[in-house]
Amino acid sequence: QQQVKQSPQSLIVQKGGISIINCAYENTAFDYFPWYQQFPGKGPALLIAIRPDVSEKKEGRFTISFNKSAKQFSLHIMDSQPGDSATYFCAASSSLTGNQFYFGTGTSLTVIP
Amino acid sequence: GAVVSQHPSWVICKSGTSVKIECRSLDFQATTMFWYRQFPKQSLMLMATSNEGSKATYEQGVEKDKFLINHASLTLSTLTVTSAHPEDSSFYICSARVSAGTYEQYFGPGTRLTVT
Repeated sequence: QQQVKQSPQSLIVQKGGISIINCAYENTAFDYFPWYQQFPGKGPALLIAIRPDVSEKKEGRFTISFNKSAKQFSLHIMDSQPGDSATYFCAASSSLTGNQFYFGTGTSLTVIP
Repeated sequence: GAVVSQHPSWVICKSGTSVKIECRSLDFQATTMFWYRQFPKQSLMLMATSNEGSKATYEQGVEKDKFLINHASLTLSTLTVTSAHPEDSSFYICSARVSAGTYEQYFGPGTRLTVT
């Protein structure tokens, strides 16, 4: 059973546009929601993370929006650049289950010049 | 800070042989390390969780006798794929966590294993 559902599977955005990736979860015990960026042949790198006590977190061009009641969270990449082309994974974790990460299925983002 | 390295970055071995992959936290001590497996264009699948000085906890469906994990120190964990077969070919990634009370996991660059 997929604990975290991620969409879309792939995304093509023009340079300068906004990339939006969505994730949904069911387990209300999740209390940590990170986003990771992965380039081909490399390990994932932490981009930004949020706790459920805030509805939004922004770091540079990256913003997480969190909707606790809907059990959804999303990553917004503003002013998308070709260098942002990568695969993005959302994840969720709970302190009640040893902080194990449950990853989404990934979104392949392509930013075209 | 929070750098995790893996060695080797890629390895080719013959069917039936064993391969050891090292995961090191370079600038912090990791109480917990995780091992993941990733198939092309797929998500990360957690294989096992290891805590320093204790036996690893394997996820359901992962053969502990085939994937031997040792977490001998706070900066080193190893994954040994024993009697490797072509279906074990995959991208193996480790991650490390600073302490039990923290959430952040820092990932290594991964190891590409090809079994011929």
